[in-house]
Amino acid sequence: RKEVEQDPGPFNVPEGATVAFNCTYSNSASQSFFWYRQDCRKEPKLLMSVYSSGNEDGRFTAQLNRASQYISLLIRDSKLSDSATYLCVVNGGTGGFKTIFGAGTRLFVKA
Amino acid sequence: DTEVTQTPKHLVMGMTNKKSLKCEQHMGHRAMYWYKQKAKKPPELMFVYSYEKLSINESVPSRFSPECPNSSLLNLHLHALQPEDSALYLCASSQLNRAPGELFFGEGSRLTVL
Repeated sequence: RKEVEQDPGPFNVPEGATVAFNCTYSNSASQSFFWYRQDCRKEPKLLMSVYSSGNEDGRFTAQLNRASQYISLLIRDSKLSDSATYLCVVNGGTGGFKTIFGAGTRLFVKA
Repeated sequence: DTEVTQTPKHLVMGMTNKKSLKCEQHMGHRAMYWYKQKAKKPPELMFVYSYEKLSINESVPSRFSPECPNSSLLNLHLHALQPEDSALYLCASSQLNRAPGELFFGEGSRLTVL
């Protein structure tokens, strides 16, 4: 089983749509959780951290369910500029530095 | 603009060459990372340094040799690489007093091995 698994993509949605990405992780000792965004041929960039109580940043809402080892990202009112690959990232392990990326989910937002 | 600088941006090398990738950050971060990313795949962790000491080596072949000369610099020395080592090599850094996993990436060095 992969350490971090994400929904297969790609997701093709119209502008203004709401889209949700899911992610599961295998290591119950994992400490920190994140969503990163990666544009084509660019480096990954931190989108948001994911907290147990759930957190929101504008149109983006992240949820964590530790019991189910499940993370989600909801994007409301999709914009063309949201088109990118969204990477679920989990940290845990030796010294807390082992940061593992999920395979990513490609999102295409169309006009 | 990224605060993690990687050089060179592109590198083409033969299988017998020796080359190095360089990474620099001036954010005062004390953890630095090397990731390898193949096309349409996620970044794969290779090495982690904390306080200039190697903390994690993800069973990377010895033809890749990391070096952390000081808290701002991270090198990746390359020798006798194979064509399948062609990839984007990403350097990242993070603070040690924040949630591990908040990584700042450089733009990467795109390596082609002929």
